[in-house]
Amino acid sequence: QKEVEQNSGPLSVPEGAIASLNCTYSDRVSQSFFWYRQYSGKSPELIMSIYSNGDKEDGRFTAQLNKASQYVSLLIRDSQPSDSATYLCAVSYGGATNKLIFGTGTLLAVQP
Amino acid sequence: DTEVTQTPKHLVMGMTNKKSLKCEQHMGHRAMYWYKQKAKKPPELMFVYSYEKLSINESVPSRFSPECPNSSLLNLHLHALQPEDSALYLCASSHRFVAGGFPDTQYFGPGTRLTVL
Repeated sequence: QKEVEQNSGPLSVPEGAIASLNCTYSDRVSQSFFWYRQYSGKSPELIMSIYSNGDKEDGRFTAQLNKASQYVSLLIRDSQPSDSATYLCAVSYGGATNKLIFGTGTLLAVQP
Repeated sequence: DTEVTQTPKHLVMGMTNKKSLKCEQHMGHRAMYWYKQKAKKPPELMFVYSYEKLSINESVPSRFSPECPNSSLLNLHLHALQPEDSALYLCASSHRFVAGGFPDTQYFGPGTRLTVL
């Protein structure tokens, strides 16, 4: 059973702080990793994708991947109240089905 | 442009009704997906179409019937649904879907909020 684990939160951070969101996955053959942001009642919006070990930065967002530890994280610098949402980690294992497996999401609350 | 559109935004139907959900993308993507999402749960894959052919059916009940008329359009036909089918139905697309190949980024539409009475 392929699994993606996230802390459900809520993760509460003050405005301007760094929010750190974590995700672990169970299958070592995982190939692609995605972070989606989902506001309440809305659809998931792609924030970052990462495929190789190391860091990938895009504006205030940094994704970090460590395949040896089966761990992927998302850092949000200078957190804003508008960042308050559920962050979904998704992992694609490739293979015959080549489908995304989503974690249950972490609710982030940025306090003004 | 990474836009996937879905209609209607909201749908209320009775258990004996027949209705359809529509999804459209004009990004030249050749893979399209239907997901179901219940409150406070992650999206669950229902169907995958690749090059207008059904590639994956995640053991979805036959009261859900997908259709891909062309590379830009994806429909989900609904018939004799149950109240527990009430959920947010999400369409997504990606450049391609190749079994055993490298996974492509999926882009989601805004969803259709379905309520079955």
